[in-house]
Amino acid sequence: QQQVKQSPQSLIVQKGGIPIINCAYENTAFDYFPWYQQFPGKGPALLIAIRPDVSEKKEGRFTISFNKSAKQFSLHIMDSQPGDSATYFCAANEYYKLTFGKGTLLTVNP
Amino acid sequence: DTGVSQNPRHKITKRGQNVTFRCDPISEHNRLYWYRQTLGQGPEFLTYFQNEAQLEKSRLLSDRFSAERPKGSFSTLEIQRTEQGDSAMYLCASSLAAYEQYFGPGTRLTVT
Repeated sequence: QQQVKQSPQSLIVQKGGIPIINCAYENTAFDYFPWYQQFPGKGPALLIAIRPDVSEKKEGRFTISFNKSAKQFSLHIMDSQPGDSATYFCAANEYYKLTFGKGTLLTVNP
Repeated sequence: DTGVSQNPRHKITKRGQNVTFRCDPISEHNRLYWYRQTLGQGPEFLTYFQNEAQLEKSRLLSDRFSAERPKGSFSTLEIQRTEQGDSAMYLCASSLAAYEQYFGPGTRLTVT
């Protein structure tokens, strides 16, 4: 049973575009929703996170939108750059345990 | 560098051998986590320590796996009698509070 569903699996945008990655969950006990960025051969790096009592959070070029009633959240990357090319994972926290989506491979073409 | 460190970064072993990985968390973090990541998948939770106490073990952690965190500092993850299905990236994370987990670079295990 996949508790956090992430889409799309891969995404290609041009430099300056705004890629959007979506995640959905069922478990209402999840209380914290982080996004991680992972480059090949590296560990996941925490990008931005949101709690379910907030509908939107912005940090630099990264924005999370959160819809509690729909149990969905998404990551928007403004003014994307080739250096943003990486795999992005959404995750959801219950107590101390993170449950991850399967990841989205983002390619930003110059 | 004050981030999470893991050693070794790569390990190649033959099936049936035992391997041990080490994780050094961010110094003030009292919580430590182990995850496993296979190709094309997100990390999967294995186990969790608060200080030296192991508070949770996933069903993924079979009897061949054991983790310790003596004195609440570094942690080790041992896999006995390795199998080819154990080939994966083993990730360690640490946190000060319940939420923000910071990951290390991982140890890539290849079982031949």
